[in-house]
Amino acid sequence: EAQVTQNPRYLITVTGKKLTVTCSQNMNHEYMSWYRQDPGLGLRQIYYSMNVEVTDKGDVPEGYKVSRKEKRNFPLILESPSPNQTSLYFCASSFTGQETQYFGPGTRLLVL
Amino acid sequence: RKEVEQDPGPFNVPEGATVAFNCTYSNSASQSFFWYRQDCRKEPKLLMSVYSSGNEDGRFTAQLNRASQYISLLIRDSKLSDSATYLCVVSSGGYNKLIFGAGTRLAVHP
Repeated sequence: EAQVTQNPRYLITVTGKKLTVTCSQNMNHEYMSWYRQDPGLGLRQIYYSMNVEVTDKGDVPEGYKVSRKEKRNFPLILESPSPNQTSLYFCASSFTGQETQYFGPGTRLLVL
Repeated sequence: RKEVEQDPGPFNVPEGATVAFNCTYSNSASQSFFWYRQDCRKEPKLLMSVYSSGNEDGRFTAQLNRASQYISLLIRDSKLSDSATYLCVVSSGGYNKLIFGAGTRLAVHP
């Protein structure tokens, strides 16, 4: 089954404790992206990757890092989480950045 | 001005009603247009792409007006299961990204 998976689905953590949210896709997509969704603001892009070892900032990259060592995986790293990073995070993938994107199930993060 | 603007709603309609959502976008170079559906606390899923000539998929009809930079979605014979948030999505026109509207919430009641 073609899908995008994210882990964990829910996470409660404390300020400053490094965490990683994993994202994996099995559709051989070259483009992958991370978004955060907050009430009233819609989906905002954090980082994206055009291909292996090619990543770039989206609209709200501050406080986040990513890596793309393999085509299928695109982890999101919060080195020192803060309460303003409490949000619903989605990973998505597609063949190019301007085509239909397929989303993972989301990760709900609470930073205390 | 937001790059993609939608009326947030909510639109409260009875079953069987016809409802229309509108969306405007600011980048005239945008080439790809979509409507996504998002159920509460779930991931967005593609409802339909929007083509220049307009297109229909069952009860759903999407229209694009490039001159006015305007996209619409019409839902006929609304079902309870249509209750969701509908996201207008536009390609960035030169940048490799999609721009998502904040969504329009639809609630269909018996």
